[in-house]
Amino acid sequence: KNEVEQSPQNLTAQEGEFITINCSYSVGISALHWLQQHPGGGIVSLFMLSSGKKKHGRLIATINIQEKHSSLHITASHPRDSAVYICAAMFQGAQKLVFGQGTRLTINP
Amino acid sequence: SQTIHQWPATLVQPVGSPLSLECTVEGTSNPNLYWYRQAAGRGLQLLFYSVGIGQISSEVPQNLSASRPQDRQFILSSKKLLLSDSGFYLCASERNNEQFFGPGTRLTVL
Repeated sequence: KNEVEQSPQNLTAQEGEFITINCSYSVGISALHWLQQHPGGGIVSLFMLSSGKKKHGRLIATINIQEKHSSLHITASHPRDSAVYICAAMFQGAQKLVFGQGTRLTINP
Repeated sequence: SQTIHQWPATLVQPVGSPLSLECTVEGTSNPNLYWYRQAAGRGLQLLFYSVGIGQISSEVPQNLSASRPQDRQFILSSKKLLLSDSGFYLCASERNNEQFFGPGTRLTVL
């Protein structure tokens, strides 16, 4: 069964802290996505990974294909990073994403 | 890079009224297109997806329908809205594993 598990569900941290959000999936994937949803509802695609590591500004995403696990890291976190972060997998042979439950991140000043 | 247009941004409709939400995609051809709904405080629920013109797959049986009259146009419709249809509706596009999301339509059914 194609499943995606995210942790933690909620995360509160102080400005400047290093943040890690984890995502595990059940079987082989063709791509894994990290998405960001702000309170207004709009969703932005942060990363699309099939292997290795990607970095964009203070955001880093890694994936370990053998362990079926991905992490999203935020360095020097800032209140504007507060949002819901969603991991989503496109499983091999599928044409639709399977979403994790999302992680609600709150960064306090 | 793809751009997805959705309108309207917000909509308030009475129970029993019809619905038509339109989504158009720029910057790609032959994308896979998706309609998602997000109820308040919940995750994304896939409603419909389409791999080509006239090809619609329904994920959840309900009073909604979808159509894809053109390659880059995806329409979500209802003949009679229910209170439970309230939510945030997102259109998304996928091509070569790249995912793009529209700005969404917030629908309130009263």
